[in-house]
Amino acid sequence: DAGVTQSPTHLIKTRGQHVTLRCSPISGHKSVSWYQQVLGQGPQFIFQYYEKEERGRGNFPDRFSARQFPNYSSELNVNALLLGDSALYLCASSQVRGPYNEQFFGPGTRLTVL
Amino acid sequence: QKEVEQNSGPLSVPEGAIASLNCTYSDRVSQSFFWYRQYSGKSPELIMSIYSNGDKEDGRFTAQLNKASQYVSLLIRDSQPSDSATYLCAANSGGSNYKLTFGKGTLLTVNP
Repeated sequence: DAGVTQSPTHLIKTRGQHVTLRCSPISGHKSVSWYQQVLGQGPQFIFQYYEKEERGRGNFPDRFSARQFPNYSSELNVNALLLGDSALYLCASSQVRGPYNEQFFGPGTRLTVL
Repeated sequence: QKEVEQNSGPLSVPEGAIASLNCTYSDRVSQSFFWYRQYSGKSPELIMSIYSNGDKEDGRFTAQLNKASQYVSLLIRDSQPSDSATYLCAANSGGSNYKLTFGKGTLLTVNP
């Protein structure tokens, strides 16, 4: 079975631009979460979507937004990019939603903001 | 601020030894705990999950949970050079979004 897929793999943008990152969860998984990982740190929670609805949001500015589609794939959008947005963006999928659900990460999108 | 703390390392062990990785968490309502392995330049890979007090074994890996002490550990027996990676401890923070809160990770180096 295919794992979580993300696109693009790498992305270079300049300050002030907008970026869209895409994620397809494992087949049969209905929940997608987004995390940001900067060098030397653990992943930080950005959003969780389940059944196309936002179920949780981390401590990120409104420049970050996301959505989930009927096929459970998801997009993360970041507006007005800042240098500090340079990071590895990870998508994680889980089968349902709850405290015991294992989350499986995709390969990530490495975003560099110049 | 709900936190997960790990020693950043590096932790260096010889091949064949037992590597012991530790983690503490601050949120008493956390219900589930996970260990991820992350190779340099790659994404985290789930290797163990634990929900109840005690030990859980899977091959060379043993996860231990003590909710009273808010402590989670991962033991890697017969360590191999291929185990060299950063190990991330994560706690499910409960509440309404079931997000994972991660520690900063411990860098493990297994020397041949």
